[in-house]
Amino acid sequence: DTGVSQDPRHKITKRGQNVTFRCDPISEHNRLYWYRQTLGQGPEFLTYFQNEAQLEKSRLLSDRFSAERPKGSFSTLEIQRTEQGDSAMYLCASSSSLGTDYGYTFGSGTRLTVV
Amino acid sequence: AQSVTQLDSQVPVFEEAPVELRCNYSSSVSVYLFWYVQYPNQGLQLLLKYLSGSTLVKGINGFEAEFNKSQTSFHLRKPSVHISDTAEYFCAVSPVKAAGNKLTFGGGTRVLVKP
Repeated sequence: DTGVSQDPRHKITKRGQNVTFRCDPISEHNRLYWYRQTLGQGPEFLTYFQNEAQLEKSRLLSDRFSAERPKGSFSTLEIQRTEQGDSAMYLCASSSSLGTDYGYTFGSGTRLTVV
Repeated sequence: AQSVTQLDSQVPVFEEAPVELRCNYSSSVSVYLFWYVQYPNQGLQLLLKYLSGSTLVKGINGFEAEFNKSQTSFHLRKPSVHISDTAEYFCAVSPVKAAGNKLTFGGGTRVLVKP
């Protein structure tokens, strides 16, 4: 297993366009998280899945954002009608709810620039 | 709700000198504590974590941190830094008795190691 993979690494889009990011977690991890990191700030929680169920969403996740995790494997994060304020690094992480080490593994992120 | 404050946004330090990065948190419930490192254009890597037991925690790359419950602090230290330690460091907390292990991050401390 090569860790958490995110695609694409970089995305430049025009304001108003829709974008979709993909995250492939570590295969044996049943939890998957999305965070957003703006320049000079720490990551902020957006949402998380346990298997295919989306169990929590932050208030940061406006109606323009939607995340899915079909069949409890990879996940997609879609942003509709992008705004300049959506420019950020979108980080995916995975972990296992089994065991007690509470370890996350983060992907390298997708950097979104809205122009 | 939890909040994390990293008191220094930037810390310049000479190679082979010691460094301390300060982290204070606020929470109405017990929390687990973490330090992550982020190299440029990469995701976050776990340095160390405090779950329970000894308040002095040792992590990777020679880092250690001490949990002080009365002062709600979790400061990170390294006795002798290398150029390769130049990176951004994030302190984070997660509620002990909450599903999902959601992390709340501080704003980060950028460490610049000078030769």
